[in-house]
Amino acid sequence: DGGITQSPKYLFRKEGQNVTLSCEQNLNHDAMYWYRQDPGQGLRLIYYSQIVNDFQKGDIAEGYSVSREKKESFPLTVTSAQKNPTAFYLCASSSRVDTQYFGPGTRLTVL
Amino acid sequence: GIQVEQSPPDLILQEGANSTLRCNFSDSVNNLQWFHQNPWGQLINLFYIPSGTKQNGRLSATTVATERYSLLYISSSQTTDSGVYFCAGVNYGQNFVFGPGTRLSVLP
Repeated sequence: DGGITQSPKYLFRKEGQNVTLSCEQNLNHDAMYWYRQDPGQGLRLIYYSQIVNDFQKGDIAEGYSVSREKKESFPLTVTSAQKNPTAFYLCASSSRVDTQYFGPGTRLTVL
Repeated sequence: GIQVEQSPPDLILQEGANSTLRCNFSDSVNNLQWFHQNPWGQLINLFYIPSGTKQNGRLSATTVATERYSLLYISSSQTTDSGVYFCAGVNYGQNFVFGPGTRLSVLP
């Protein structure tokens, strides 16, 4: 089955911990994206990558880091520097500037 | 970057009713998508429609690129249509910008 997978579905973090969210796609898409969604709000872009080994900051990159070592994978690390990390995180991919497809999301809660 | 507005912010319908959702852009876009976010958070592609009109079952969409707006029509609404509808646009060399969404509740 072609698609985008995200894991875990739910994640709980203690204050001061770094956590890494996984995003994998088998659609052979060049571009991948991470978005954050707060309750009742729209999506805001955290980071994006148009090609392997290259990525750019989005609108709210502070406190987050990413890597793009493989075309299929774009993990997001939420660092302790992110002051309010509790949110719903969505990963997407697209073939260049084209239709975006989304994974099922990860709900992160800071305890 | 572009700004995206959606209206109405909230909409409550009785099952079987029709509705129109609107998306306005502050600048021209070369790519426009409509999504439905279901109650579990999954974003589902509805339409890729930078211009013109498309139909898929009970849903149709029209984008008037020269006037920088798009409309999503839902006919004979069902309870499963409930959720949040987002539009997103992008211009050359930029990234997708999402609107704040329209929250639709269809009552049985």
